[in-house]
Amino acid sequence: KNEVEQSPQNLTAQEGEFITINCSYSVGISALHWLQQHPGGGIVSLFMLSSGKKKHGRLIATINIQEKHSSLHITASHPRDSAVYICAVRSWGAQKLVFGQGTRLTINP
Amino acid sequence: EADIYQTPRYLVIGTGKKITLECSQTMGHDKMYWYQQDPGMELHLIHYSYGVNSTEKGDLSSESTVSRIRTEHFPLTLESARPSHTSQYLCASSDGGSVEQYFGPGTRLTVT
Repeated sequence: KNEVEQSPQNLTAQEGEFITINCSYSVGISALHWLQQHPGGGIVSLFMLSSGKKKHGRLIATINIQEKHSSLHITASHPRDSAVYICAVRSWGAQKLVFGQGTRLTINP
Repeated sequence: EADIYQTPRYLVIGTGKKITLECSQTMGHDKMYWYQQDPGMELHLIHYSYGVNSTEKGDLSSESTVSRIRTEHFPLTLESARPSHTSQYLCASSDGGSVEQYFGPGTRLTVT
């Protein structure tokens, strides 16, 4: 079992729908990252969380440390949101990130 | 805006060739990383560096080597490319006191 599990692995939705992507992890962490990878391969960091909730535009990320769970929400989804969304965690005292397998999101017009 | 660059972006090369993938960052970050990602799979750390003349192997065994002679430059070399090396290679960097990593655009390598 991977230390970081994401669900769903694939998600297809219609434009305008509310999207939720989940990430569960099994180790104590100092930080959790949500990353976005477009088809060209480049990765952009969306959020870094250690507690609570962060919002940036239509994106919201939450984390529950006790339950070892984080969610990424997209409101009013748009075809340009189509990408792979990756959860990554840094455990206490570690310098390295451990990555989930990613969630491939497709938003149809 | 992160200033981390990778060249080439795409490379198709024959078996047995020596290749070097370049990664440079202009942010003065002391930590740099190389990740390998097969299509549809998660990223795996193959090399990292905490500063000049410091390099370590990552979690995934790799036949590649790296060097860190200058802070801003972290090249990855494959002495003899094989089809099994076909993958995407992503470089990242972070500041010493921060957990945030900035990623380059990646190099998509195909070995025929």
